[in-house]
Amino acid sequence: GVTQSPTHLIKTRGQQVTLRCSSQSGHNTVSWYQQALGQGPQFIFQYYREEENGRGNFPPRFSGLQFPNDSSELNVNALELDDSALYLCASSLLLAGAMITQYFGPGTRLTVL
Amino acid sequence: AQRVTQPEKLLSVFKGAPVELKCNYSYSGSPELFWYVQYSRQRLQLLLRHISRESIKGFTADLNKGETSFHLKKPFAQEEDSAMYYCALKVGYQKVTFGTGTKLQVIP
Repeated sequence: GVTQSPTHLIKTRGQQVTLRCSSQSGHNTVSWYQQALGQGPQFIFQYYREEENGRGNFPPRFSGLQFPNDSSELNVNALELDDSALYLCASSLLLAGAMITQYFGPGTRLTVL
Repeated sequence: AQRVTQPEKLLSVFKGAPVELKCNYSYSGSPELFWYVQYSRQRLQLLLRHISRESIKGFTADLNKGETSFHLKKPFAQEEDSAMYYCALKVGYQKVTFGTGTKLQVIP
């Protein structure tokens, strides 16, 4: 399955944070989402075969990496209070642009004080 | 820019009654539409996608391009259907836009 670490995290404004995701074996795509309380997930970006190939309306201080060993990272620099949210990663198998399967992780709850 | 609207935050129905969760989208091209579900204390999961024309757990959804809608329907609600439901729109290979979600409450 898809796992994320840590489960919860508390940071202060201006700090940097790295969130981690372990994808489903055999999947070639990982997407990251930010979900504020009471809202639907918002697409941050997507990595396909270790390269970013899609991005939502998030500033460059949100960056990511995808590694060949089914792991990936979301990095956020210069944290702001509004970055407090649940961060979800989704592992997918894309073939010819079509999503065959997709599984979400349980999320990391980030609180910025 | 694409947008997904789920007009109801909460939908309460009695067990055995029909369910319709509304989803409207705005996008000028050919979208891919999905429904996701999140049961209490569980992770988000894909329920169904319009290209598959499938029925999952008794739920179906038809894409109506004229009305730009993708409503989720089930003829007879069950208590285990109580959950949060999200409609989502995918543009191209990457960008996915979610609605704000509808909480379905099935009353026994």
